[in-house]
Amino acid sequence: EDKVVQSPLSLVVHEGDTVTLNCSYEVTNFRSLLWYKQEKKAPTFLFMLTSSGIEKKSGRLSSILDKKELFSILNITATQTGDSAIYLCANKAAGNKLTFGGGTRVLVKP
Amino acid sequence: EPEVTQTPSHQVTQMGQEVILRCVPISNHLYFYWYRQILGQKVEFLVSFYNNEISEKSEIFDDQFSVERPDGSNFTLKIRSTKLEDSAMYFCASSLDRVTYEQYFGPGTRLTVT
Repeated sequence: EDKVVQSPLSLVVHEGDTVTLNCSYEVTNFRSLLWYKQEKKAPTFLFMLTSSGIEKKSGRLSSILDKKELFSILNITATQTGDSAIYLCANKAAGNKLTFGGGTRVLVKP
Repeated sequence: EPEVTQTPSHQVTQMGQEVILRCVPISNHLYFYWYRQILGQKVEFLVSFYNNEISEKSEIFDDQFSVERPDGSNFTLKIRSTKLEDSAMYFCASSLDRVTYEQYFGPGTRLTVT
């Protein structure tokens, strides 16, 4: 059974801090790893990673995948209160479904 | 920017009743999905749908669940006889294809079964 584990479960930081979120996975027939941000309702797409070692970047957010060690990290630099959310990692294996991790709850205090 | 829409945003129903949750996927997308998230738990895959048939389903998606694309725009999830444990947020998602493109999620329907 495919498994995705995220750490930490939650963290509290102050504005301007940098956070690093971890996602490890055990899957058969790996295709890609996705990061989503979930605020009040729908998960909002952030990144999709398919190749090891290639950093994807969007503003203050960046992510990288290590297919040998089976993990990914999501970095948020210069955090703002608007970054407060649950960050979800999901694996897409062969087939259509996404297997989600439990998420990391990030709270950014002013 | 195109987005997935879902109606209703909140549905309250009594145990044993049938409910239909509705979704309008992004217009040029070809693959459609339903996920659910029980309060405090992980987002779980239910079913994927392509070319008017189910392409994959999870163990959760038993005989009480069905999906349909009744016209060119809507995608529905029907729960025939709701149980208390069906209470959850149900998310619809769509993607352009099943391999190289990400899945975009709708805002969800919160289903409360009493």
